[in-house]
Amino acid sequence: EAGVVQSPRYKIIEKKQPVAFWCNPISGHNTLYWYRQNLGQGPELLIRYENEEAVDDSQLPKDRFSAERLKGVDSTLKIQPAELGDSAVYLCASSLEGGRGRDTQYFGPGTRLTVL
Amino acid sequence: AQTVTQSQPEMSVQEAETVTLSCTYDTSENNYYLFWYKQPPSRQMILVIRQEAYKQQNATENRFSVNFQKAAKSFSLKISDSQLGDTAMYFCAFTFRTGANNLFFGTGTRLTVIP
Repeated sequence: EAGVVQSPRYKIIEKKQPVAFWCNPISGHNTLYWYRQNLGQGPELLIRYENEEAVDDSQLPKDRFSAERLKGVDSTLKIQPAELGDSAVYLCASSLEGGRGRDTQYFGPGTRLTVL
Repeated sequence: AQTVTQSQPEMSVQEAETVTLSCTYDTSENNYYLFWYKQPPSRQMILVIRQEAYKQQNATENRFSVNFQKAAKSFSLKISDSQLGDTAMYFCAFTFRTGANNLFFGTGTRLTVIP
């Protein structure tokens, strides 16, 4: 079974440029998460989807970040415009159902963003 | 608010020896789950072990076991017979038993297994 797929793996951009990250969750997983992992820190949740609905986006900086999950499968996270402080690893994870704490989250390899 | 604290930024252990990673957490909830995740260098994060707070018995998975002290809000990971492949960042994480499945992570412990 294929795991969570993310692309690109690495991205270097100039500040003020836009950037987008793509995630394909494990087949059949209804819940999708985007986390941001700053250097030397643990991941922090940005947004959580249940199917195509964003049910928790309280930590998403909405002035520059946006996300979508079309048809409840793939998801895209966008930053426009990027700032120096956005340099981080962006992780996507998925789980079968999001409403139960015992539900295991499976993580993708992440996209390492560097903003110059 | 839920907080997870890992006070050991880095640790090392000789191959085949045993090492214990520490984690404390703070929550007002009574029902929750605790996890240890492993993040190898340049590889994706994977679940190592899970503990359900309402279970008194400590979880074990092969060479990995936990010492869960609910009253002290402590959740340490013991790795026995350490192997070179255990070299990684280890994150302690917390989530509620019901409702949202959001994970709250600690800052991680970098473990190096020395040949």
